Amino acid sequence: EAQVTQNPRYLITVTGKKLTVTCSQNMNHEYMSWYRQDPGLGLRQIYYSMNVEVTDKGDVPEGYKVSRKEKRNFPLILESPSPNQTSLYFCASRHQQQQGGEQFFGPGTRLTVL
Amino acid sequence: GDSVTQMEGPVTLSEEAFLTINCTYTATGYPSLFWYVQYPGEGLQLLLKATKADDKGSNKGFEATYRKETTSFHLEKGSVQVSDSAVYFCALRGRQGAQKLVFGQGTRLTINP
Repeated sequence: EAQVTQNPRYLITVTGKKLTVTCSQNMNHEYMSWYRQDPGLGLRQIYYSMNVEVTDKGDVPEGYKVSRKEKRNFPLILESPSPNQTSLYFCASRHQQQQGGEQFFGPGTRLTVL
Repeated sequence: GDSVTQMEGPVTLSEEAFLTINCTYTATGYPSLFWYVQYPGEGLQLLLKATKADDKGSNKGFEATYRKETTSFHLEKGSVQVSDSAVYFCALRGRQGAQKLVFGQGTRLTINP
């Protein structure tokens, strides 16, 4: 089954404790991205990657890091989480060349930073 | 920059009512337009899309027409069901900024039996 998986689905942590949210897709998509969803703001892009070893900032990259060492994986790293990073996070992927193509989303990771 | 504005929710309707969720956009050039749906506890799923002016996207009884003259992509359904209760997001992908989707703020829809 074609899918995007994220782990963990739920995470409660404390300020300053480094964490990683994993994302993996099995569709051989070139393009992957991370979004955060906050009430009244919709989804905002954090980082994206157009292919292996190619990453770039989205609209709200502060406090986040990413890496793309393999085509299927795109982890999101919070080196020193803060309470304002409490949010619902989505990973997504699609074929790079399809401007009108569907973007597939993972099930989401709900993060709470105390 | 590109932006999407959706009608504010929440929206509550009775089963079999007619649904319209308004969406307007600002973008340079000719963006592709999308409606995504998020059911409780799940990720976003593509509901329908349109890639050029006057295209009509449709799926599961939902429709939306790409209106360039009014920069709109309103979502409609003639008879809603309880199972349509979800959050709906309008989004665009611009030609120039094709690396990301730009989302509206989402509209929460609740259908009562």
